[in-house]
Amino acid sequence: LAKTTQPISMDSYEGQEVNITCSHNNIATNDYITWYQQFPSQGPRFIIQGYKTKVTNEVASLFIPADRKSSTLSLPRVSLSDTAVYYCLVGGLRTGGFKTIFGAGTRLFVKA
Amino acid sequence: EAGVAQSPRYKIIEKRQSVAFWCNPISGHATLYWYQQILGQGPKLLIQFQNNGVVDDSQLPKDRFSAERLKGVDSTLKIQPAKLEDSAVYLCASTGGRGTDTQYFGPGTRLTVL
Repeated sequence: LAKTTQPISMDSYEGQEVNITCSHNNIATNDYITWYQQFPSQGPRFIIQGYKTKVTNEVASLFIPADRKSSTLSLPRVSLSDTAVYYCLVGGLRTGGFKTIFGAGTRLFVKA
Repeated sequence: EAGVAQSPRYKIIEKRQSVAFWCNPISGHATLYWYQQILGQGPKLLIQFQNNGVVDDSQLPKDRFSAERLKGVDSTLKIQPAKLEDSAVYLCASTGGRGTDTQYFGPGTRLTVL
């Protein structure tokens, strides 16, 4: 499984767009990119998943370039409640099921 | 739909004691994961079950940790004997077992070893 590298921390202000980039140089052909959000004292929560190009849902967008060696999570108009740790995972089907590895994550702090 | 349930939520023990954690995954989810999350770090996979079979336990410290999922539904994770460095949050997650299924996590059990 490909390891991921993302910034340790980021600061932003309410109402701004936040982009968190993750590098995954050794991503396998069939692997997907998934982002999770984790608040203190809670388990991680799925945000978005993609394979290539762009994926958008009600909370975020995920941009994946053609070479798939990196990806960018975009959070539009963040609020204080978006303060959390964001994890980028790369994973896919292996013997025994779907496998991923969590990295250290990016701590996003949104200020008023 | 009920989420992943875990108990207890908190546990404090002394080193060399034993402890057990329980997880009940989302109904119908075939794949169950146990993670260890040390403060300030990302979750680290300890063991992955597909139904009641182990498919990955490469990072499980087998000299002190054990886990089972006897009927392919709920699961227990045990530590015996506990060490100070086992202080962490133990997270359980489950998926339907299909190709790109996302993991649904429980609230975790916070273990403190004194």
